[in-house]
Amino acid sequence: DTGVSQDPRHKITKRGQNVTFRCDPISEHNRLYWYRQTLGQGPEFLTYFQNEAQLEKSRLLSDRFSAERPKGSFSTLEIQRTEQGDSAMYLCASSLDGQGNEAFFGQGTRLTVV
Amino acid sequence: AQTVTQSQPEMSVQEAETVTLSCTYDTSESDYYLFWYKQPPSRQMILVIRQEAYKQQNATENRFSVNFQKAAKSFSLKISDSQLGDAAMYFCAYRSSAFFYGGSQGNLIFGKGTKLSVKP
Repeated sequence: DTGVSQDPRHKITKRGQNVTFRCDPISEHNRLYWYRQTLGQGPEFLTYFQNEAQLEKSRLLSDRFSAERPKGSFSTLEIQRTEQGDSAMYLCASSLDGQGNEAFFGQGTRLTVV
Repeated sequence: AQTVTQSQPEMSVQEAETVTLSCTYDTSESDYYLFWYKQPPSRQMILVIRQEAYKQQNATENRFSVNFQKAAKSFSLKISDSQLGDAAMYFCAYRSSAFFYGGSQGNLIFGKGTKLSVKP
């Protein structure tokens, strides 16, 4: 297993278009998190899954954002009707349940909305 | 709500010297975890060191150690014998231990980061 992978690494889209990002966590990890990181800021929590259940989505930035993890394996994050303010790095992380378990991060998807 | 503050946007250190990165946090909880993550340019974030709040002993990982002051809500990272490969963004992060009792998301709360440069 090579760690958490995210696809694509970079995405340039026109304002108003929809985009979808994919995250493949470490295979045995049951928890999966999405974060957004803007320039000069630390990552900001968006949502998380335990297996296929999305247990927290109130932090998603607007109703244009949605995430799925249909079979408890990979996850997708979709942004509809993109805006320039959506330009950011979108990070995925996964971990096991348990005290102090490390969250492993992917390299992120950098979104640029033009 | 918990917050994490890193007051040093940038720091610089000479190779082989020691540098300390500062972090303070605010919480009303008594049990939690603190982390330092390293984010090299265009690379994924990796864990440097973690500290359980209920442990008084400061965590150490090779050249990396922390100074955890629970009463002061301070969690600084010391890097000894700095190497060129240590150059990166460093993020301090907090996680509630309620995660382990099913009462929280288990997500990390990050500071804004400190950019560390290492001079040869």
